[in-house]
Amino acid sequence: QKEVEQDPGPLSVPEGAIVSLNCTYSNSAFQYFMWYRQYSRKGPELLMYTYSSGNKEDGRFTAQVDKSSKYISLFIRDSQPSDSATYLCALRISSGSARQLTFGSGTQLTVLP
Amino acid sequence: NAGVTQTPKFQVLKTGQSMTLQCAQDMNHEYMSWYRQDPGMGLRLIHYSVGAGITDQGEVPNGYNVSRSTTEDFPLRLLSAAPSQTSVYFCASSEQGGGWGYTFGSGTRLTVV
Repeated sequence: QKEVEQDPGPLSVPEGAIVSLNCTYSNSAFQYFMWYRQYSRKGPELLMYTYSSGNKEDGRFTAQVDKSSKYISLFIRDSQPSDSATYLCALRISSGSARQLTFGSGTQLTVLP
Repeated sequence: NAGVTQTPKFQVLKTGQSMTLQCAQDMNHEYMSWYRQDPGMGLRLIHYSVGAGITDQGEVPNGYNVSRSTTEDFPLRLLSAAPSQTSVYFCASSEQGGGWGYTFGSGTRLTVV
């Protein structure tokens, strides 16, 4: 069993839809949670990060963490064609000096105009 | 422009050949790492470094070698290329003492025939 599970999609939605992207994890030692966005043939770029249960909002994006259920989500409101990308969750255990991340396999999202 | 620079962008190797993937960052980041990205597998850590002269293995280190002689550079060496090493390779860096996200390079697409 992978430490982090993410539905690979692909997910296709119409412009303006609300998108929900999800990851589940098995290791309760994960304390830091991030979402990366990766456009085709590009490197991932950090989109949002959080370390506490609850919601964190940034513009059209909301990151949600439920540590008790080991479940994290990224919501995109009023989705735009420019949001079409692969979204990867990334988790980190807060220990030691090595800043190692464990990534989900990514969900491919297409927003149709 | 500040960031992580990877070269080459594309490479085709024959089985058994060796090569070095270059990675350089100009942000004075202490932490650097190499990932490979394969379909359905997400990003998997190959090797990482927490500072000049210090390297360690990640999840999938076999067949790869690294060294870190300067803060700026972190080359990845393929010792004897195998078809199983066909992948997209990403270099990433981050601050050691603070900050959250990794800055990724744009990747090297490697095919081993």
